[in-house]
Amino acid sequence: AQKITQTQPGMFVQEKEAVTLDCTYDTSDPSYGLFWYKQPSSGEMIFLIYQGSYDQQNATEGRYSLNFQKARKSANLVISASQLGDSAMYFCAMREPLNYGGSQGNLIFGKGTKLSVKP
Amino acid sequence: DGGITQSPKYLFRKEGQNVTLSCEQNLNHDAMYWYRQDPGQGLRLIYYSQIVNDFQKGDIAEGYSVSREKKESFPLTVTSAQKNPTAFYLCASSIPGGETQYFGPGTRLLVL
Repeated sequence: AQKITQTQPGMFVQEKEAVTLDCTYDTSDPSYGLFWYKQPSSGEMIFLIYQGSYDQQNATEGRYSLNFQKARKSANLVISASQLGDSAMYFCAMREPLNYGGSQGNLIFGKGTKLSVKP
Repeated sequence: DGGITQSPKYLFRKEGQNVTLSCEQNLNHDAMYWYRQDPGQGLRLIYYSQIVNDFQKGDIAEGYSVSREKKESFPLTVTSAQKNPTAFYLCASSIPGGETQYFGPGTRLLVL
């Protein structure tokens, strides 16, 4: 079964410092996608970054980068130069392989990490 | 601006009442999804639809129903059979089998 694990319920980081949010996944399928979403207190889920299982390089989007270690089945999110506005819940998600149990590539979410940025 | 809208922002349900949550998108996406989020938890899939007039049950479909008569719209009905409906409901859309799902702002459902 597909599974996403986020072991850090909460994290604190000082403004302007970098922070790493952990995510491990479990799948036996060679083709999968990994996502990170940000959920501020307003509730909407904001897409941050995507990594495909066959991508050779780690994904980057501005201050966000994904530290993809395939052998360890980890996909940690690194936020550089933290800002106060980065305070939010962060969710790691994995796309189910197509046709898995009739799935069309649905997302499986971890339980999230609450990041608090201190001024 | 393209995006996904959900209404209402807050919804109150009385015992035994069915309520419908609206989800509309103008991204021209074929696939749409409904998720439920409970406090301190991740998202769980309720229903999804890859194309108009077709939809599939997700992991927690019991007590919910959906329709997909138009590409832009995917309303979710929380029926009286759902005994614990208090949660935050999020709608999303994507191209079928697409890599990224984009989410609406959510509806918070409370039971009176």
